[in-house]
Amino acid sequence: AQSVAQPEDQVNVAEGNPLTVKCTYSVSGNPYLFWYVQYPNRGLQFLLKYITGDNLVKGSYGFEAEFNKSQTSFHLKKPSALVSDSALYFCAVRDRYSGAGSYQLTFGKGTKLSVIP
Amino acid sequence: NAGVTQTPKFQVLKTGQSMTLQCAQDMNHEYMSWYRQDPGMGLRLIHYSVGAGITDQGEVPNGYNVSRSTTEDFPLRLLSAAPSQTSVYFCATKPRWEGVTEAFFGQGTRLTVV
Repeated sequence: AQSVAQPEDQVNVAEGNPLTVKCTYSVSGNPYLFWYVQYPNRGLQFLLKYITGDNLVKGSYGFEAEFNKSQTSFHLKKPSALVSDSALYFCAVRDRYSGAGSYQLTFGKGTKLSVIP
Repeated sequence: NAGVTQTPKFQVLKTGQSMTLQCAQDMNHEYMSWYRQDPGMGLRLIHYSVGAGITDQGEVPNGYNVSRSTTEDFPLRLLSAAPSQTSVYFCATKPRWEGVTEAFFGQGTRLTVV
């Protein structure tokens, strides 16, 4: 079964500093990987995805993520954090070679990012 | 276009009551799904549908029923509400079930069972 781990419940970073939100995954084949963001009292919004190709994926709002197959990781990064980036971030995975029962995404537990002014 | 619309936004139920959470989409998406979000648990899949007339169970289906009579609507029914079903419920859609497209989420229904 596929799984996603977000090892940090909360990440605090000062405004203007680089941020990293960690994600590791476990799947039986090659994965499709996603990051979503959830602002308070809102649904999840898509940030970026990895399908194949370049290991560095660029997404919305200046975020990027680095796919590392050997470490089974897909960490979310941003060079300079903004206070408005404060939100809950979810990593998700979909197994590439799975059968009819795996259309769905498996989500991590989420990491709360707080950017301190 | 409204995207994915969930109603109601908030609901309080008494134990044993039944109710239906509504999800409607106007994007002609093939795939629709229901998740519940609980603190420290992330999102867990309840049920999903790959098209009208086709539904299947996700990770946590017990206590919930779904049907998909049209492409647009995917209601989630709680037959006999329990306090353990207190949660925030999200409906999510994708254009096609097999594509690697992002999911589109509704704004959620916050349900409290007392």
